[in-house]
Amino acid sequence: AQSVTQLGSHVSVSEGALVLLRCNYSSSVPPYLFWYVQYPNQGLQLLLKYTSAATLVKGINGFEAEFKKSETSFHLTKPSAHMSDAAEYFCAVTQLRGSSNTGKLIFGQGTTLQVKP
Amino acid sequence: KAGVTQTPRYLIKTRGQQVTLSCSPISGHRSVSWYQQTPGQGLQFLFEYFSETQRNKGNFPGRFSGRQFSNSRSEMNVSTLELGDSALYLCASSLSGGRPEAFFGQGTRLTVV
Repeated sequence: AQSVTQLGSHVSVSEGALVLLRCNYSSSVPPYLFWYVQYPNQGLQLLLKYTSAATLVKGINGFEAEFKKSETSFHLTKPSAHMSDAAEYFCAVTQLRGSSNTGKLIFGQGTTLQVKP
Repeated sequence: KAGVTQTPRYLIKTRGQQVTLSCSPISGHRSVSWYQQTPGQGLQFLFEYFSETQRNKGNFPGRFSGRQFSNSRSEMNVSTLELGDSALYLCASSLSGGRPEAFFGQGTRLTVV
């Protein structure tokens, strides 16, 4: 069965430091991949998506992610953390039926990002 | 353009009762999915509807059901509530087809006592 693994349930960085949140997926055919952010008591906000176009994807709020098929990874980065980036981040992939994407998302367990002043 | 709207935002129900949650998707979106979020299990897929038809279903008991109306609005129903049904229920809408990204509502926080 497909799965998504986010390495590190908690990541702590200093304001202005590099943010790196890791995501690996398991499927032989690359699915569509997404990163979402969730602030307390809120829904999920789409940060960026990979849908088989450019492997380096730029999203909102200065975030970007690089799709690496050989590593089955889709890590999220931001060059300089801001206090407002403190939230929970989820990596998600579309469920595959054969080689076709369905409308179902499979989520990782989430990574809580703490930004220290 | 208005986002995904879920009502109500908060609900408190008693064990054994039933509950109906509502979701209005983004205008023009025909696919609506539902997810349950709990601290222990994370985000789990419940079901997806497209053009009033259930297109995909997760591994939840039959107490969880849903439907979609001709205007793409969706409802989710949970019967015979259990304490373990306490969760944040999230609705997502998407255009489907070549635009797979899903946009989420604020969620309905259900507490079963």
